[in-house]
Amino acid sequence: EAGVAQSPRYKIIEKRQSVAFWCNPISGHATLYWYQQILGQGPKLLIQFQNNGVVDDSQLPKDRFSAERLKGVDSTLKIQPAKLEDSAVYLCASSLGARGPAYGYTFGSGTRLTVV
Amino acid sequence: SQQGEEDPQALSIQEGENATMNCSYKTSINNLQWYRQNSGRGLVHLILIRSNEREKHSGRLRVTLDTSKKSSSLLITASRAADTASYFCATGVTGANNLFFGTGTRLTVIP
Repeated sequence: EAGVAQSPRYKIIEKRQSVAFWCNPISGHATLYWYQQILGQGPKLLIQFQNNGVVDDSQLPKDRFSAERLKGVDSTLKIQPAKLEDSAVYLCASSLGARGPAYGYTFGSGTRLTVV
Repeated sequence: SQQGEEDPQALSIQEGENATMNCSYKTSINNLQWYRQNSGRGLVHLILIRSNEREKHSGRLRVTLDTSKKSSSLLITASRAADTASYFCATGVTGANNLFFGTGTRLTVIP
């Protein structure tokens, strides 16, 4: 089966600019996650969708980050305006589980964002 | 924090040796999962162990879980250079909808 697709792979922007990341999960996976992974740290959840509804966005900095999953399939994550501390790898993952991590997650390759 | 903590932070071994990584956590869990991340890539799911299981095997991997000590270990036997990666434990916390990842162990296998 095809994996989780993410684009772009790399992005360099100046602070205060905006950026958007795209994710297409595995077909049939109802749950989609966006994680932020800062260099040397483990991934941290930003937002979790089930189908096109938000399950958990408690860690999403809503003053600058937004995400949507229209039609319950692919998703976009946007940052506007970007700050230096947003430099990280943004990982998208999907899973079969409807709620809770009863199954393993399948991750995309991530988007490496550098804010200068 | 609900995150797991891996120990050691970094581990360097010779090819053919066994590698053991440990994970400790603080809250009640439904399951614990281990992932591998090669440099610059996404995470790959290795194995999931449920809270009512004590040991699980998959190929050269062996995972143990001790819920009384809130700890888990990942053993990679007969390591290969291709096993060089970062390894993360992730906890499926009771009552939570998602996984909480630790900070990872960086494993280097020297050919």
